[in-house]
Amino acid sequence: ILNVEQSPQSLHVQEGDSTNFTCSFPSSNFYALHWYRWETAKSPEALFVMTLNGDEKKKGRISATLNTKEGYSYLYIKGSQPEDSATYLCAFYSNFNKFYFGSGTKLNVKP
Amino acid sequence: ETGVTQTPRHLVMGMTNKKSLKCEQHLGHNAMYWYKQSAKKPLELMFVYSLEERVENNSVPSRFSPECPNSSHLFLHLHTLQPEDSALYLCASSLAGGAYEQYFGPGTRLTVT
Repeated sequence: ILNVEQSPQSLHVQEGDSTNFTCSFPSSNFYALHWYRWETAKSPEALFVMTLNGDEKKKGRISATLNTKEGYSYLYIKGSQPEDSATYLCAFYSNFNKFYFGSGTKLNVKP
Repeated sequence: ETGVTQTPRHLVMGMTNKKSLKCEQHLGHNAMYWYKQSAKKPLELMFVYSLEERVENNSVPSRFSPECPNSSHLFLHLHTLQPEDSALYLCASSLAGGAYEQYFGPGTRLTVT
């Protein structure tokens, strides 16, 4: 079993704050790193898939970076809004065709 | 609308029952997945089908039996389950390979009594 760790487990911020969280994964047998947003009572929704060391992806106010050599990815949210409240999941895909999800970071943005 | 549907949305079954979960996608994907979400645990991959062939089975007990008759449909057959099998079961689809984002269904909330 392979460990994918996300920190912090939960985060409470005020509307307008910028925030970031971390996904740590093994640096060996890396193939891809996925980020998903999971809102309560909805399905997980894909944010980014990154495959190359140094990759940076951006979608609106959300961006992500990837460091495969040291085994971590950061997710950034600029100017958080209440609608950003959700659990953010990362998933490590190894070159052995296996997906491993982290436990997620639960973000609560207060108006 | 994610394009991935699951039925039923809720299921209560006894330990001696046999039931099936159904997943359907109309996104043109050729890979489909079953995940299990237990309380306070990470999402756990159970089965992967790619091009209608099972490519991954993460040591799942035999009381869970997947079936993928074509690239648009995926089933999870359940029999003689245990109370600890109560969980949210999610289906997802994608293009084949781990470099493509997955699209998830709404899930089936299963309770085993």
